[in-house]
Amino acid sequence: DAMVIQNPRYQVTQFGKPVTLSCSQTLNHNVMYWYQQKSSQAPKLLFHYYDKDFNNEADTPDNFQSRRPNTSFCFLDIRSPGLGDAAMYLCATSRDRAQGVYNEQFFGPGTRLTVL
Amino acid sequence: AQSVTQLGSHVSVSEGALVLLRCNYSSSVPPYLFWYVQYPNQGLQLLLKYTSAATLVKGINGFEAEFKKSETSFHLTKPSAHMSDAAEYFCAVSDTANFGNEKLTFGTGTRLTIIP
Repeated sequence: DAMVIQNPRYQVTQFGKPVTLSCSQTLNHNVMYWYQQKSSQAPKLLFHYYDKDFNNEADTPDNFQSRRPNTSFCFLDIRSPGLGDAAMYLCATSRDRAQGVYNEQFFGPGTRLTVL
Repeated sequence: AQSVTQLGSHVSVSEGALVLLRCNYSSSVPPYLFWYVQYPNQGLQLLLKYTSAATLVKGINGFEAEFKKSETSFHLTKPSAHMSDAAEYFCAVSDTANFGNEKLTFGTGTRLTIIP
């Protein structure tokens, strides 16, 4: 089945130790998104890629970076994790909105990050 | 700017009773509106969407929602609750003028508990 895959599902890191979260998709969608969801809160968009074009949200901290080496893969890098970065990180994909037709986002299962 | 407000962070209903989860939106342009469901430690699954066609939208698992422009509402309903409906529900809005990607703004979520 076509899907969005996130690895690992659970990640533990130490305060200040860089960590990378991975997302892959078999849907061949050209848009990929990263969301941060803290406990009991709504998902918050960090950034998205429209093909190779990177689009950062205005309030996303510099500590968060992303890479998209090809259509299928997208990575979230947290350069120096703080305790406040502990959260569920959700990856999503969609087609772009060509000709006004809306295309829904498909979400992966998420990676829960713990910072010690 | 667009936003959604979900009234009631926690809703409890008895098994077999009506489910009503409330969502009001604010948007300067005609919106696209969505309901997502999230089970514990999982990603988000689309329940249903309004994209300017029929105002009464039917989704998966017996849920439906009605877009009411005069009330700026998009409430989610299900005639008879099932134990498996226990989850977190998010209302979201997308800007119809936002071509190129399907950027979503989420509400704060409603946790639905089903009482046996």
